[in-house]
Amino acid sequence: DIQMTQSPASLSASLEEVVTITCQASLDIGNWLAWYQQKPGKSPQFLIFGATSLADGVPSRFSGSRSGTQYSLKISRLQVEDLGIYYCLQGYSAPYTFGAGTKLELK
Amino acid sequence: EVQLVETGGGLVQPGSSLKLSCATSGFTFSITWMNWVRQAPGKGLEWVALIKDKYGNYEANYAESVKGRFTISRDDSKSRVYLQMNTLRDQDTATYYCTRGIMGNFDYWGQGVMVTVSS
Repeated sequence: DIQMTQSPASLSASLEEVVTITCQASLDIGNWLAWYQQKPGKSPQFLIFGATSLADGVPSRFSGSRSGTQYSLKISRLQVEDLGIYYCLQGYSAPYTFGAGTKLELK
Repeated sequence: EVQLVETGGGLVQPGSSLKLSCATSGFTFSITWMNWVRQAPGKGLEWVALIKDKYGNYEANYAESVKGRFTISRDDSKSRVYLQMNTLRDQDTATYYCTRGIMGNFDYWGQGVMVTVSS
């Protein structure tokens, strides 16, 4: 199975700060990488697909990038509504695998 | 409006069975891949199962942790997807989400249904 190593596990940041979360795939998954945001007590929300494409309605301060088998999610100016847990997911081959998650909190 | 609504959760004893159902509307179900994803209390997300559409020959895939115990199925005439869970274990305790999408791109999710396996 493909392993997704996500870091950091938690992150404290200030409003308007730039935030970056990364996922490392255990093998080449191409651009089959998606990012999700989950707020407490809520279902996950689709943020980014194809490693770099924003899902419908997602603010432009979110962006995704890829360098080889490392994938990054960047929030350019953190807003209070961005707080929550972020997960990457590889969809290259089943079984699909999520990263362990990054909890984003306010400093 | 796309909607996914899971039902069928509850409290069951280890070794027993349970069948989850996900009713969908607002999109062409018959040509949509469907998935189940679960989340144990306080833990991360775990993909559970996938069923492809008719063009994918309804092929199913499973996480290793549920293979041989869980079966995903679908009824295109009712726009529903199911998860039959047998030989349930304590570790299967989780909120189960129904979600649509292909190759990990899950754009709509249900609200989730809780399954508790405990004696």
